[in-house]
Amino acid sequence: IAGITQAPTSQILAAGRRMTLRCTQDMRHNAMYWYRQDLGLGLRLIHYSNTAGTTGKGEVPDGYSVSRANTDDFPLTLASAVPSQTSVYFCASSDWASGNYNEQFFGPGTRLTVL
Amino acid sequence: GESVGLHLPTLSVQEGDNSIINCAYSNSASDYFIWYKQESGKGPQFIIDIRSNMDKRQGQRVTVLLNKTVKHLSLQIAATQPGDSAVYFCAEDLRGGGADGLTFGKGTHLIIQP
Repeated sequence: IAGITQAPTSQILAAGRRMTLRCTQDMRHNAMYWYRQDLGLGLRLIHYSNTAGTTGKGEVPDGYSVSRANTDDFPLTLASAVPSQTSVYFCASSDWASGNYNEQFFGPGTRLTVL
Repeated sequence: GESVGLHLPTLSVQEGDNSIINCAYSNSASDYFIWYKQESGKGPQFIIDIRSNMDKRQGQRVTVLLNKTVKHLSLQIAATQPGDSAVYFCAEDLRGGGADGLTFGKGTHLIIQP
């Protein structure tokens, strides 16, 4: 593993189903983030975590939950998917401890379609 | 609404020319302003940032200018190359605290013509 990996690459999901998007980083960064990217709206922050054991709400947190049990993993869960959650989801991390929090490293994204 | 916005959705330039991508922001309290590049099918990639107490910062072939009077940010790319074709996003540290995530603008698609 090098950098940030996300899984799955893409997924088609029926509305009402539960889904967890996985994110793992091997850079030992303490801060991690989830963004969604929709055409014409740029990237919007869903949830973030400054360090293992803590999480916070971003701009669009409704319908999503996260956990940060350890430094490397930051899964995003959709408890009951709705079509408006169709989007491309990006996980990112930054080395907040060194002060380089503006340089976020992004994963390749997960394309999610909710029908 | 979005605090960070862009003047033009698409910018087309000739290979070898300089490119200027503009961005307007509304929150004077942001401590940092950042530029990201996103190539097709990939996640965004950090280019350069500038602190709010600076007017100009230079990197490799890129320069970021910050005009706090008119709340304007620009990214200048010198001698554009085909590899510069991408969507460019400006972002700001709107939430404060640094590690609490960034607020992104909607993006400008830079097209390099041969």
